[in-house]
Amino acid sequence: GAVVSQHPSWVICKSGTSVKIECRSLDFQATTMFWYRQFPKQSLMLMATSNEGSKATYEQGVEKDKFLINHASLTLSTLTVTSAHPEDSSFYICSAKSSMEPQHFGDGTRLSIL
Amino acid sequence: LAKTTQPISMDSYEGQEVNITCSHNNIATNDYITWYQQFPSQGPRFIIQGYKTKVTNEVASLFIPADRKSSTLSLPRVSLSDTAVYYCLVGALTGANNLFFGTGTRLTVIP
Repeated sequence: GAVVSQHPSWVICKSGTSVKIECRSLDFQATTMFWYRQFPKQSLMLMATSNEGSKATYEQGVEKDKFLINHASLTLSTLTVTSAHPEDSSFYICSAKSSMEPQHFGDGTRLSIL
Repeated sequence: LAKTTQPISMDSYEGQEVNITCSHNNIATNDYITWYQQFPSQGPRFIIQGYKTKVTNEVASLFIPADRKSSTLSLPRVSLSDTAVYYCLVGALTGANNLFFGTGTRLTVIP
């Protein structure tokens, strides 16, 4: 149980392109989903928290116009990196959580911007 | 949010028991302690969660003393495949908690 699917697992694209990453909770309804990014040899950094049907809450220093989050249902959240540049290259990880349960994580998306 | 402190790295030989301790001195009454394992290029995987005393599942045990200011993840008889980074998180189960990762402990299992 508690499976979170993230897609795509890796993407390479040109600078200036927008990239969408999907996060789905497959066997439970997630009241809240979270988006993290992780640089090599570093810990996970929380970017934003999203609740179904409401606007995401972004952490300090994360540009909301750059990283668009949509949480249309209790099982799906998307992160769109708009006009991506090489400095946006990173490992992006989502997690999903239902009340009174721990977070469960997707397997991440490796984003490389050329 | 309770901050956590863990050793940066640990080495262990195969077959040994490994104990990783996490300090969380300002843990709140409603906070739970959760441990995750992360392999390179993968998302963290839930290991175990507890509130007090001892919790055991098929892969690990979690020991929490009465003051709850620390916790110890115990991995019995580690194998090479247990080489990973281990994170402890502290927070309430409701709301947007348990979200901030510390440095984690990089465990290397040696043949």
